[in-house]
Amino acid sequence: AQSVTQLDSHVSVSEGTPVLLRCNYSSSYSPSLFWYVQHPNKGLQLLLKYTSAATLVKGINGFEAEFKKSETSFHLTKPSAHMSDAAEYFCVVSEFNQGGKLIFGQGTELSVKP
Amino acid sequence: DAGVTQSPTHLIKTRGQQVTLRCSPKSGHDTVSWYQQALGQGPQFIFQYYEEEERQRGNFPDRFSGHQFPNYSSELNVNALLLGDSALYLCASSFVEGALRPLGDEQFFGPGTRLTVL
Repeated sequence: AQSVTQLDSHVSVSEGTPVLLRCNYSSSYSPSLFWYVQHPNKGLQLLLKYTSAATLVKGINGFEAEFKKSETSFHLTKPSAHMSDAAEYFCVVSEFNQGGKLIFGQGTELSVKP
Repeated sequence: DAGVTQSPTHLIKTRGQQVTLRCSPKSGHDTVSWYQQALGQGPQFIFQYYEEEERQRGNFPDRFSGHQFPNYSSELNVNALLLGDSALYLCASSFVEGALRPLGDEQFFGPGTRLTVL
């Protein structure tokens, strides 16, 4: 069965410092992996996705993630945090035989201090 | 392009009542999925509709049912509401065209309907 574990429920960084949000996954098949962001009172927005192409995936707003099969990880990073990055971030997995069903992690709340 | 739209934005019901939530998919999309997001949790998959039929279902009781119309819009119905049904209900659309997974692997989410059960 597929599952996602986000290792931190809350991460706090200062503006201008790097961001690291950690995610481990479990999957029986070759998975597709995603990071979504959710700002308060707004819908989920796709940041980036991995679908068996390049292992280093670049997304919107300067975010990127690296797929590491040996470690079953898909950590999200950004070199320099901005105040507008404060939000809830979800790591998500999908398997080919699950018809597009998305499995979400519990979420990581990112706070950015001035 | 209006993207995925959902109505209403907020809803307050009492235990035992029934509720209907509505979703219009992004233009060009043919598949609608529904998710429940309880406070402080990640969204959980309820079910998915394609060609007006439920194609896949998560671990939700039969009190949760849905419908997809010929124009691809969808409804989520919940009967006999419980306090635990209070949550944000999210609709996501994708373009599948009969394939097992969304073409491009991307689902677009609406802003959600906040349901409160008293």
